[in-house]
Amino acid sequence: QVQLVQSGAEVKEPGASVKVSCKASGYTFTRYDVSWVRQAPGQGLEWMGWISGSKGTTNYAQKFQGRVTVTTDTSTTTAYMDLRSLRSDDTAVYYCVRGGGSTGQGFDYWGQGTLVTVSS
Amino acid sequence: QSVLTQPPSVSGAPGQRVTISCTGSSSNIGAGFPVHWYQQLPGAAPKVLIYGNTNRPSGVPDRFSGSKSGTSASLAISGLQVEDEADYYCQSYDSSLSEVVFGGGTKVTVL
Repeated sequence: QVQLVQSGAEVKEPGASVKVSCKASGYTFTRYDVSWVRQAPGQGLEWMGWISGSKGTTNYAQKFQGRVTVTTDTSTTTAYMDLRSLRSDDTAVYYCVRGGGSTGQGFDYWGQGTLVTVSS
Repeated sequence: QSVLTQPPSVSGAPGQRVTISCTGSSSNIGAGFPVHWYQQLPGAAPKVLIYGNTNRPSGVPDRFSGSKSGTSASLAISGLQVEDEADYYCQSYDSSLSEVVFGGGTKVTVL
């Protein structure tokens, strides 16, 4: 069965960086895009960016351009999301999801989420 | 301000039918990009409820149905049940922004 298992919760100080991992299993990793979606406390869902599973190309939301990098390691079928220059309003649950892309496909599998807390 | 507009909340008695609207524009829903719906139960990750405008994944009750017309889409829940209390989100793609877009979410309350 398809599974996306994310790394554990993180606490970071403002200005620091965080890297969240997402281990995929149960499907051919390179056949699907992986996206990252976040949800601040009590707020809605916000798409951050995706990476093509087959080509490794990326697309990021304008809001996060220059501050986020999404990568994959196909040898370990793991995706990573690196967010830099953290601010208090980056406190959120970060989800990796299978899907994305400019054809408008949806997100059929979600990781369990990783809580990132930014606080001094 | 979300690119896709949803009502913040809807409510209904058990057994009733409720609908949630998702209004977009000519660069997303109106451009033909599919609409997907997600259900988020309290404290859980979202899960897909409807994909490609009208399709239900296996395991999703047929009480849930999706439709799309013009620049809008709707999610209908018929025979509302207590366990349907959750937040619901629509999602599509916007070609002007070149971004995935979500609605702001709708909280469904069963009275």
